[in-house]
Amino acid sequence: GAGVSQSPSNKVTEKGKDVELRCDPISGHTALYWYRQSLGQGLEFLIYFQGNSAPDKSGLPSDRFSAERTGGSVSTLTIQRTQQEDSAVYLCASSLNLDSGRIYEQYFGPGTRLTVT
Amino acid sequence: SQQGEEDPQALSIQEGENATMNCSYKTSINNLQWYRQNSGRGLVHLILIRSNEREKHSGRLRVTLDTSKKSSSLLITASRAADTASYFCATAGNTGGFKTIFGAGTRLFVKA
Repeated sequence: GAGVSQSPSNKVTEKGKDVELRCDPISGHTALYWYRQSLGQGLEFLIYFQGNSAPDKSGLPSDRFSAERTGGSVSTLTIQRTQQEDSAVYLCASSLNLDSGRIYEQYFGPGTRLTVT
Repeated sequence: SQQGEEDPQALSIQEGENATMNCSYKTSINNLQWYRQNSGRGLVHLILIRSNEREKHSGRLRVTLDTSKKSSSLLITASRAADTASYFCATAGNTGGFKTIFGAGTRLFVKA
């Protein structure tokens, strides 16, 4: 079956512009995660969605960042008034986490490389 | 802040040797996972070990978990050049839902 897909694969934008990054998770996966990875660094947790529960936004670095997940499937990460320090690869992952608390492995998309000039 | 911390940061070995990477974390966990990342295949899940397990095997991979020391190790036996990648541990907490925190990773280079 299809894996996690993300679009666009690359995005170059000017400082101050807004950008939207899209993630299509694996069908049936209840959990969706967003991470950010700067060059040569580890993954920085941004936000996750689990079923119909309120998302955990504790990793969002500022109020310029927001995300939504429509219909429990596709998610969009929006960065407003982009800054040069926002340049990174943004990774999305989905997982078959169960509401009982059982946590499963994450399947990652290929990422969106964002460059803010 | 990151929960998992791997060491070493970088490791260079000859093909056929074993590679051991360690991960330490700070709070109680539901499970700990190891992932591999290389330029060709992106981030791929390797193995998941739950908090009530002490050791797990998958092919040439062996993972141990010591919850009393809040540490885990990943052993790759008989390494191959294709194992060259960055390896990350990720911890899922016991409270606060399904949030998963990744460490900074160990960069493994296997020389042919």
